[in-house]
Amino acid sequence: DIQMTQSPSSMSASLGDRVTITCQASQDIGNNLIWFQQKPGKSPRPMIYYATNLANGVPSRFSGSRSGSDYSLTISSLESEDMADYHCLQYKQYPDTFGAGTKLELK
Amino acid sequence: EVQLQESGPGLVKPSQSLSLTCSVTGYSITSNYWGWIRKFPGNKMEWMGYISYSGSTSYNPSLKSRISITRDTSKNQFFLQLNSVTTEDTATYYCARYLRRVPDYWGQGVMVTVSS
Repeated sequence: DIQMTQSPSSMSASLGDRVTITCQASQDIGNNLIWFQQKPGKSPRPMIYYATNLANGVPSRFSGSRSGSDYSLTISSLESEDMADYHCLQYKQYPDTFGAGTKLELK
Repeated sequence: EVQLQESGPGLVKPSQSLSLTCSVTGYSITSNYWGWIRKFPGNKMEWMGYISYSGSTSYNPSLKSRISITRDTSKNQFFLQLNSVTTEDTATYYCARYLRRVPDYWGQGVMVTVSS
């Protein structure tokens, strides 16, 4: 199985901060990666498709990038509504595998 | 709008079977792929499997001997059965629609506890 190593597992940041979360793939996955946001009691919401494409309705402060086997989700200026869990998911090869998640909290 | 809703017992005894239903509105399950994903306490997520528009299935090898995904197209529902559960199967279970290999619409999730 492809392992997705996600970091950090948790972080606290202030409003207006630039925040970056990273997933490293153990094998080549191309750009076959999606980022999800999940708030307590809610279902996961796709934020970034195919590593770099913003999903419909997602604010432009969110962006996705890739450098080799490292995939990043960046929030350019943190807002209170962004406090949530974030997961990456690779869908290059079955079984699909998730990163361990990042809990983003307000400092 | 596509909506998915999971239902099923919240408590299952060890060694028994876990059975969940995903009811879909706003879209036919005879199109696309439909899957189950679970989230464990502590945040880890696991893809369990899917059923396709034609009824074919694919399962996570880690579960292959215990899992079955079926459907009832007349009710626009699909189902998860997981046999011989242990406490390790305690999780929140989500059903999801897949679009081009990506789960784009998810249900709210149902928490299932395995305990005697």
